[in-house]
Amino acid sequence: DTAVSQTPKYLVTQMGNDKSIKCEQNLGHDTMYWYKQDSKKFLKIMFSYNNKELIINETVPNRFSPKSPDKAHLNLHINSLELGDSAVYFCASSQDTGTGVYEQYFGPGTRLTVT
Amino acid sequence: TQLLEQSPQFLSIQEGENLTVYCNSSSVFSSLQWYRQEPGEGPVLLVTVVTGGEVKKLKRLTFQFGDARKDSSLHITAAQTGDTGLYLCAGVGPGGGADGLTFGKGTHLIIQP
Repeated sequence: DTAVSQTPKYLVTQMGNDKSIKCEQNLGHDTMYWYKQDSKKFLKIMFSYNNKELIINETVPNRFSPKSPDKAHLNLHINSLELGDSAVYFCASSQDTGTGVYEQYFGPGTRLTVT
Repeated sequence: TQLLEQSPQFLSIQEGENLTVYCNSSSVFSSLQWYRQEPGEGPVLLVTVVTGGEVKKLKRLTFQFGDARKDSSLHITAAQTGDTGLYLCAGVGPGGGADGLTFGKGTHLIIQP
């Protein structure tokens, strides 16, 4: 069974469109994240979501909004897509073991191409 | 903002050679994690180091956390072609890991047969 899954794997769309990426984890973790990996492979945190508390990286445009219907899902909705949004988006989850470490389990990624 | 600098950015060596990848910062991290990422896949956790001066071994891979918890290194002995990949270090800041990790820019490693 896949621990963290994302759909779709590839997403090609035009500028100005609105799109969503879905993420599900079956690990029972209580924290989920969205990361963006640019063309140079730099991975940057966008959001983390823990027990209904959303922590937003201040550099993320408000066109991006995470939505969590339940503890196992954290979807990413993007409005008015721009060329610069093209990247690979990774969902991840983690569980606090009491050490504050939060080891991340990543999904396979969604390659978003905006034309 | 906490930053992690990885070096080298690219490394191509022959199978059987040894190599070291460095991860440095001016900030203190409560822990550092190393991930490996293969093309088309998400990063996979290799190890977490928590205590300053800690050394962890994973078969041919040796991970070290600096005494001041500002830097870490990954040493691979007798590299194999299967070690090829993108190696990422990531730190947990003072805010805790629930805020997400700060990643270095990665080291692209190619092991040639």
